[in-house]
Amino acid sequence: LAKTTQPISMDSYEGQEVNITCSHNNIATNDYITWYQQFPSQGPRFIIQGYKTKVTNEVASLFIPADRKSSTLSLPRVSLSDTAVYYCLVGDMGLTGGGNKLTFGTGTQLKVEL
Amino acid sequence: DAMVIQNPRYQVTQFGKPVTLSCSQTLNHNVMYWYQQKSSQAPKLLFHYYDKDFNNEADTPDNFQSRRPNTSFCFLDIRSPGLGDAAMYLCATSRESREDPRYEQYFGPGTRLTVT
Repeated sequence: LAKTTQPISMDSYEGQEVNITCSHNNIATNDYITWYQQFPSQGPRFIIQGYKTKVTNEVASLFIPADRKSSTLSLPRVSLSDTAVYYCLVGDMGLTGGGNKLTFGTGTQLKVEL
Repeated sequence: DAMVIQNPRYQVTQFGKPVTLSCSQTLNHNVMYWYQQKSSQAPKLLFHYYDKDFNNEADTPDNFQSRRPNTSFCFLDIRSPGLGDAAMYLCATSRESREDPRYEQYFGPGTRLTVT
């Protein structure tokens, strides 16, 4: 599994756009990039997943450059409720049929203030 | 709503006294996972079941075992809890399919284990 590196913490204010970048230099051809969000005392929650270029859903956007060695999670107009830890994970497509094991990195603690 | 349920949410056990944590799911997913998350750390995978096949992580202590009697339920057994086993234990599920290679794990709310 490719190792990921992301900032330990970030601070923002309500209404701002937040971009969290993750480095994954050893990403393999079959690897997808997935982001999870975790609030205190809750299990992680899937946010978005992508393979290349740009992916957008109702919550966030994910930008992946052509070399796929990094990715950026973009949260538009954050609010206080977006304060959480955000994990970037990289893993293969599970074609081996053995289950898709997630290896969590340190994550980024996002703090949103008024 | 389909979901992953963990009981109890909070569990207190004594040092060395066996404890079992339970997880159930209504998603009909074929894969179930157990993670351990200690304070201010990322979740760490202990083991997972792919259908009935058990897959243990190499560094998971023998003190931790698991059972999956059917598709919906999975149990985490800690045979002799130590103080270092105090943590949040997270259960997760996913549906793995060769037709759809993307994957998403659905996590339960976790069980916070305290060892006294």
